[in-house]
Parts: sequence; structure tokens; C-alpha cells
Amino acid sequence: AQSVAQPEDQVNVAEGNPLTVKCTYSVSGNPYLFWYVQYPNRGLQFLLKYITGDNLVKGSYGFEAEFNKSQTSFHLKKPSALVSDSALYFCAVSLNNFGNEKLTFGTGTRLTIIP
Amino acid sequence: GAGVSQSPRYKVAKRGQDVALRCDPISGHVSLFWYQQALGQGPEFLTYFQNEAQLDKSGLPSDRFFAERPEGSVSTLKIQRTQQEDSAVYLCASSLTLVGDNEQFFGPGTRLTVL
Repeated sequence: AQSVAQPEDQVNVAEGNPLTVKCTYSVSGNPYLFWYVQYPNRGLQFLLKYITGDNLVKGSYGFEAEFNKSQTSFHLKKPSALVSDSALYFCAVSLNNFGNEKLTFGTGTRLTIIP
Repeated sequence: GAGVSQSPRYKVAKRGQDVALRCDPISGHVSLFWYQQALGQGPEFLTYFQNEAQLDKSGLPSDRFFAERPEGSVSTLKIQRTQQEDSAVYLCASSLTLVGDNEQFFGPGTRLTVL
């Protein structure tokens, strides 16, 4: 079984400050990890993924995430927040296992950037 | 290029009616997924196709739910005898290959409301 926890339902950050959205996961095996963003009335948009290799991955819109195997975490970060970053963010995991691509999502974190 | 499209975008059904939700994946994408997103929750896996083969339907909540992808492209999710608990956004996603490290591209979803 696989699961994802996003411990914060809501994160508020002042514009220009660094932001972190937390994610921890549980899988029996090696994970593929993803971050998606959801804007109102729009589908989920892919931000970045960790497959293997460098623990720090960079994605769209200046976001990055750090894979920490010992802490089973994959926190999303950005050095300087923009008001346009306000949205609902989902962390997801799938198994590193051929033919088992389904994603398991967390419950989401609503990020609000305060001007 | 065109992304994943879904129709209808909104569907209102009376309890007991049958509904059919359509997904047009990105051309050439082998894998197709259906997810259900309840209000305030993350998407939850329903079923998964590789080409026309339905490889995993473990997430379908009951035998009232049925999905098909007869020609390996367009997919239809059918819900028979709808119940109020079926009210949710139904998301379709596609990915390029059989390997799980490819990100999934999501459609805008179909919001189903069962009265």
C-alpha cells in the first residue's frame, strides 16, 4: 500500500518570502514522487517529479523539491513567493514498478500568498 | 498541442439515472487513468488502461461503475443508477508510455452532481 500525507491544510506566506509546502510518503519500495498544482476550475498541472538521482529537483515556475529518503519526505519549496502562486497543491506518489503507475495523492495544501 | 479534454464539463443527474463521462487523451498517449475527486479531497484512483487493456480497476467503488477504452484512445466512464455519494469531480489523465516515471497530464474534469 502507498500513502501520502500533507500535514498542513493551509499555508499563508507573504509575497517575496520563501515558501515550503510539506509532504511525507509511505511506500513499500522505491517511489516516484510528484507535485501538482490545481487552479480553480482547471485540471491538475504538473510541477515537478523525482525519479532517481539528484535529491533536489527543479520544476516549473521556479519551484523545487527535495527528496529525503531517511525522512520519507518530498517538500515543495520556492525562494520567493508570488501572489500568482496562490493555489491548491497536491503531492503524489507512485511505485517504481513497471505497470503500476497509479498515483496516490495527498489531501492537498491551499497556499495563499499575501501581497 | 491539445491537452486532455473531457465532456461534459458539468453533469446534473437525478438519483437512479445512468451517466456517461468521456475522456479524449493526448494523441499517442498509451496510458489512461480515471480518478475521483470529492470536495476538499485529493484525487483517488479509479481505474487504468494501457492502450485498450484495462489493467487495474481496483479503485472502482462498486459494480455500478464501468470504464472502457475500446480502440485504445477515447475512454468512457459509465455510472449506472447514480447515487448521491457519486457526486464528485471525475478526472481523466493520460501519460506517454508504459513506464511509471512519466508525468500524467490531467483534463479539466467533469463535475457530477447527483440530486
